[in-house]
Amino acid sequence: AQKVTQARTEISVVEKEDVTLDCVYETRDTTYYLFWYKQPPSGELVFLIRRNSFDEQNEISGRYSWNFQKSTSSFNFTITASQVVDSAVYFCALQGSSNTGKLIFGQGTTLQVKP
Amino acid sequence: SAVISQKPSRDICQRGTSLTIQCQVDSQVTMMFWYRQQPGQSLTLIATANQGSEATYESGFVIDKFPISRPNLTFSTLTVSNMSPEDSSIYLCSAGTGHFYGYTFGSGTRLTVV
Repeated sequence: AQKVTQARTEISVVEKEDVTLDCVYETRDTTYYLFWYKQPPSGELVFLIRRNSFDEQNEISGRYSWNFQKSTSSFNFTITASQVVDSAVYFCALQGSSNTGKLIFGQGTTLQVKP
Repeated sequence: SAVISQKPSRDICQRGTSLTIQCQVDSQVTMMFWYRQQPGQSLTLIATANQGSEATYESGFVIDKFPISRPNLTFSTLTVSNMSPEDSSIYLCSAGTGHFYGYTFGSGTRLTVV
């Protein structure tokens, strides 16, 4: 079975702090994709990143960075120097090669950044 | 990636009625998906909308309750039938083609059943 676990359901930080959102996944597929999405209070789902299982290179995009480690089945997301606008629910998701596009979502982590 | 227009953005409906949600993509896509997000919960796939054939439903979801249409490669509808308060959720569609799934979601339909 495929599964995504985001252990921390809520995180609260003060602006300018760094924060890491954890994601652990389970799959038997050798080829799969991992995603992160941001869901602001308005409800839409904003795509942040997709990483395939053969690319373990970490990625940085501005204040965002992602650490993919197959050895621990983790795909963690770090926000550096957090801002109030980063407050949202963040979802990690898994797409297996056998799923034909289906996404398995984690439970989400609600991030609150206080001024 | 594709741009998806979803409507209505929100609605308040009486129990026992039905609501049809529309999803329009700005380019032809192979696959379209419908997800449900219950209050405070994660997203769960309802079904995959297949063009020219019946939708493929996930466990726990049935066609009588969530009929889906996919008349062409750019459009799909989801109907929530005989609604009850438990159907109050955000419904989102997603689309993709080839190996490019999951990039784009519609803006969501926030449904409240009273």
